[in-house]
Amino acid sequence: SQWGEENLQALSIQEGEDVTMNCSYKTYTTVVHWYRQDSGRGPALIILIRSNEREKRSGRLRATLDTSSQSSSLSITAAQCEDTAVYFCATEAGSFNKLTFGAGTRLAVCP
Amino acid sequence: GPKVLQIPSHQIIDMGQMVTLNCDPVSNHLYFYWYKQILGQQMEFLVNFYNGKVMEKSKLFKDQFSVERPDGSYFTLKIQPTALEDSAVYFCASRRGYEQYFGPGTRLTVL
Repeated sequence: SQWGEENLQALSIQEGEDVTMNCSYKTYTTVVHWYRQDSGRGPALIILIRSNEREKRSGRLRATLDTSSQSSSLSITAAQCEDTAVYFCATEAGSFNKLTFGAGTRLAVCP
Repeated sequence: GPKVLQIPSHQIIDMGQMVTLNCDPVSNHLYFYWYKQILGQQMEFLVNFYNGKVMEKSKLFKDQFSVERPDGSYFTLKIQPTALEDSAVYFCASRRGYEQYFGPGTRLTVL
């Protein structure tokens, strides 16, 4: 498959903590998307990092991309309760930009 | 932000019946996608559609599946006949630029 991690991971942290989620991919891509998915809703793009960028920041989010190891990470600083969601990474391929998603990380912040 | 709508939100049908899932994409978007997500697993690409044609499809897009967008109305996914393994949440997405906007999904249960 496209991704090294096949199963949905689960993380539980306290409000105010920092967290990092990792993805590794197997085939070439020029961009990695990070999506969050809230319960009962579709995925929403939160940050996108291109192959010519090593790091991208957006508010409390930070994405990194290492094309040599074909891995990407998403960090959230000072997590808040509303950060509770499932986070997916996805690569783009083909002329029409089909997305290939990883299994995702279910992040729980707050009890 | 731009919204993609999906109708219905839930559908329960008997195996062998036909079902049509409807997607109302963002109005000025040009590219349309269907993805399938089985509970607890990653979302998987089914098909993309542009200029009235299927551009790319995955092996999950069986012969029983078809898509169309007649006269710029709903973008539909039809399954005829349905099978038990078609039970999943189906997400529609549309795109004009680099970002795919996802709908909330239709949960299909085949009995």
